[in-house]
Amino acid sequence: DIQMTQSPSSLSASVGDRVTITCRASQNIRNYLNWFQQKPGKAPTLLIYAASSLQSGVPSRFGGSHSGTEFTLTITSLQPEDFATYYCQQSYNFPYTFGQGTKLEI
Amino acid sequence: QVTLKESGPVLVKPTETLTLTCSVSGFSLNSPRMGVSWIRQPPGKALEWLAHIFSTDEKMYSTSLQSRLTISQDTSKSHVVLSMTNMDPMDTATYYCARKVIYLDGGDFLGDAFDIWGQGTMVTVSS
Repeated sequence: DIQMTQSPSSLSASVGDRVTITCRASQNIRNYLNWFQQKPGKAPTLLIYAASSLQSGVPSRFGGSHSGTEFTLTITSLQPEDFATYYCQQSYNFPYTFGQGTKLEI
Repeated sequence: QVTLKESGPVLVKPTETLTLTCSVSGFSLNSPRMGVSWIRQPPGKALEWLAHIFSTDEKMYSTSLQSRLTISQDTSKSHVVLSMTNMDPMDTATYYCARKVIYLDGGDFLGDAFDIWGQGTMVTVSS
């Protein structure tokens, strides 16, 4: 199985900050990497697919990039509603695997 | 509007079999670019992918749980069913179903992702 390692596991930031979350795959997954946001008690929602494509309806302050097996989710100018937990997930092959999550706190 | 909704027991006993149903609307399980997965999340922990079924009825399973899982679909009823045998307290979790769609760019495959999720159903395993 492909292992997805996210860092950091938690992150403190303020409204207006720029933050970066990293996800590293244990092998080449090309650009088949998705990012999700999850708020307490709610189902995850898709932010980014194929490493850098913004899902419809997602604000443009969210962005994704990658280099090799390292993937990055960047949020520019944090808004209050962005404080949540973020997960990466590889869709390169089955079994699909998720990162362990990054909790973004105020 | 695309929706998925999970249903099933709230409480199961150890060694019992769990059966969950995902009822979908707004899309067809027969659509070639669609599929449905089950994903779970123990309280306070990360997401774990469990199983997937394609529109062709091909099935894929978690490596560690494949001996206990069965996924099936009834396209006429727009249901996807997950069965998990020999339940254990460690299987206590919120279970989600999610639609997987394929993204294309002029016929070129871009990737695929879980674009719509159900609300989840919490299952507790306890005697």
